[in-house]
Amino acid sequence: EVQLVESGGGLVQPGGSLRLSCAASGFTFSSYWMSWVRQAPGKGLEWVANIKQDGSEKYYVDSVKGRFTISRDNAKNSLYLQMNSLRAEDTAVYYCAREGDTAMAYFDYWGQGTLVTVSS
Amino acid sequence: QSVLTQPPSASGTPGQRVTISCSGSSSNIGSNYVYWYQQLPGTAPKLLIYRNNQRPSGVPDRFSGSKSGTSASLAISGLRSEDEADYYCAAWDDSLSVPAFGGGTKLTVL
Repeated sequence: EVQLVESGGGLVQPGGSLRLSCAASGFTFSSYWMSWVRQAPGKGLEWVANIKQDGSEKYYVDSVKGRFTISRDNAKNSLYLQMNSLRAEDTAVYYCAREGDTAMAYFDYWGQGTLVTVSS
Repeated sequence: QSVLTQPPSASGTPGQRVTISCSGSSSNIGSNYVYWYQQLPGTAPKLLIYRNNQRPSGVPDRFSGSKSGTSASLAISGLRSEDEADYYCAAWDDSLSVPAFGGGTKLTVL
C-alpha cells in the first residue's frame, strides 16, 4: 500500500524557516517524480515544487523561488521541503504527492498533509 | 485567480446526476490531459479521474470525465450523500510550465 506521511509543520514567525519531511513507503520511491502541493485555509490547491527521480531537476512556482528548496533522499525514501524567509501567505497545509506522469497534473497519491502557520 | 475556472458550488439530490465544469485555454486543457481530484471534508485530495476520462481502480463508475476543446466536465450519476466534497480539476499549463488547478467546486447533496 502506498503511503506518504508528512511531518515538520508548525507555527513560525514571519522571516523564519521550517523543514518539511515526507516519508514514503509501499512503492519504489526512486522511480517517481515527487511534488509538494499546498492549500491555504479555505482556499484551493496550489502546486509548489517538484523533483526528478534522481534529484537532478527541480522546479518551483514563482512565488517560492529563491526561498524554498525541494530535495530527496532515495536511500531513506524521503522527500523534503526547506522553507526559508517565510511569509504570512505561505500559511497552508502542505501535501506531499507522488506524480503519476512527468509534466502533467497527475498526482496519484497524496499524504495527509502538515499545517504550516506563519504568524507573529 | 485560478488558471482553470470552475463554478464555486454545485448541488443535487440523492440519485440525481450532476456535472461540474472546468474551463481553461489552449495552453492547458486545450493541449493536455485533464485530471479531477475529490477532497472530502477534512481530508487530503484523492485522484478521481486521470487522462480526461480514466478512473483509478476503486473509483466507482458513477464518476466520469470528459473533455472538449478547452473545457472539461466531471459527471456524477446516482448522487450519494458521501459524494459531498470539494472537486478540483487540473491540467498542465504549457505557458506557465506548471500544473494548474481550478479553484474548486463545493458539491452539496441536498
